[in-house]
Amino acid sequence: DGGITQSPKYLFRKEGQNVTLSCEQNLNHDAMYWYRQDPGQGLRLIYYSQIVNDFQKGDIAEGYSVSREKKESFPLTVTSAQKNPTAFYLCASSPTVSTRAREQYFGPGTRLTVT
Amino acid sequence: GQQVMQIPQYQHVQEGEDFTTYCNSSTTLSNIQWYKQRPGGHPVFLIQLVKSGEVKKQKRLTFQFGEAKKNSSLHITATQTTDVGTYFCAGKKSSNTGKLIFGQGTTLQVKP
Repeated sequence: DGGITQSPKYLFRKEGQNVTLSCEQNLNHDAMYWYRQDPGQGLRLIYYSQIVNDFQKGDIAEGYSVSREKKESFPLTVTSAQKNPTAFYLCASSPTVSTRAREQYFGPGTRLTVT
Repeated sequence: GQQVMQIPQYQHVQEGEDFTTYCNSSTTLSNIQWYKQRPGGHPVFLIQLVKSGEVKKQKRLTFQFGEAKKNSSLHITATQTTDVGTYFCAGKKSSNTGKLIFGQGTTLQVKP
């Protein structure tokens, strides 16, 4: 059963704690992405990776960090420096990054609540 | 920076009525994609438009890409309750290496 998995579905943390959200894909996709979704604001790109051991900042990277040590995995760490971390986080992947973009496949998302 | 604006933000229709959402970019796009997100779910790819003036149909859904490749629309004919959800357009700049810029989305409610 191929796809993208994100765990957990719901996550609760205290303010000041770092938290890592997992994202795993078995689609053999080169590119992976992290988005944040807030009500009424659509999807905003946090980080993306086109190849293993390489990643680029998106539009709202401050307070977040990522790693891409394996093709299948692209974990996102929400650090204590992120001022408003409560949100719905979506991971996505696509077959390749090229001039003509390919569709992105999304995971089920992790809803993070920080109090 | 580049923006992709989508209107309206919300739309309530009676089942059987038509629905249209519009997407406008401040710059020329290489292509545009449309996604649907059901309540409580994640975005699912619907279609990609690449050519200037392109029109594609999927059953009751009609997608258009403007001649200048700066705007797009999604039209649903005779809505059904299964059409409920948020529809996002996502554009890619010609010079980008893969990033998609998402519109804010249009949330469709259908009254039975």
